[in-house]
Amino acid sequence: EIVLTQSPGTLSLSPGERATLSCRASQSVSSSYLAWYQQKPGQAPRLLIYGASTRATGIPDRFSGSGSGTDFTLTISRLEPEDFAVYYCQQYGSSPWTFGQGTKVEIK
Amino acid sequence: EVQLVESGGGLVQPGRSLRLSCAASGFTFDDYAMHWVRQAPGKGLEWVSGISWNSGRIDYADSVKGRFTISRDNAKNSLYLQMNSLRAEDTALYFCAKDNGYSGYDCYFGYWGQGTLVTVSS
Repeated sequence: EIVLTQSPGTLSLSPGERATLSCRASQSVSSSYLAWYQQKPGQAPRLLIYGASTRATGIPDRFSGSGSGTDFTLTISRLEPEDFAVYYCQQYGSSPWTFGQGTKVEIK
Repeated sequence: EVQLVESGGGLVQPGRSLRLSCAASGFTFDDYAMHWVRQAPGKGLEWVSGISWNSGRIDYADSVKGRFTISRDNAKNSLYLQMNSLRAEDTALYFCAKDNGYSGYDCYFGYWGQGTLVTVSS
């Protein structure tokens, strides 16, 4: 099973700042089959990025994904008030499909 | 508009069974694989099970293998999860999720329901 470790656990930033979230895999994720999701309290997760760097439909271009192999990054270029949430990475290259433990982006 | 509506959750004693359902609409159900993903209270996400469009491929997390059974009825646009021998650690919000791959088994999730809560406690 591929274990995904996200860092930091919590990121305290102000609106307008840049957020950089990390997701590290215990082994290489084949074909960059890595997705990112955003979850707000009381809501279902929302797909942001798949294939490590492809934005899902309707996702603003301030969200970008990068990386390959074992190291992946989600970047939010300028935080908007609605971006404060928990973010999860997920690999779908090798069953069982696994999630990271999440990074909370909170208002500083 | 894609809609996924879960039902069937509730309070159940350890060792008992429960069957979850997910009613899908707004897309051609039998073109897509479907999955169950759960989230324990205050915790992260855990993929539970997935089923291909024609039920030809079915997968389970090790934590539920042998106890849970996923199935689908394409004529009724519905997904199911039969949960047997429930344990306290199965307590979670169970989400129904649509695979993002058309006619594939891509195993990442473009649409989610709002979830149904399962509480296993005596």
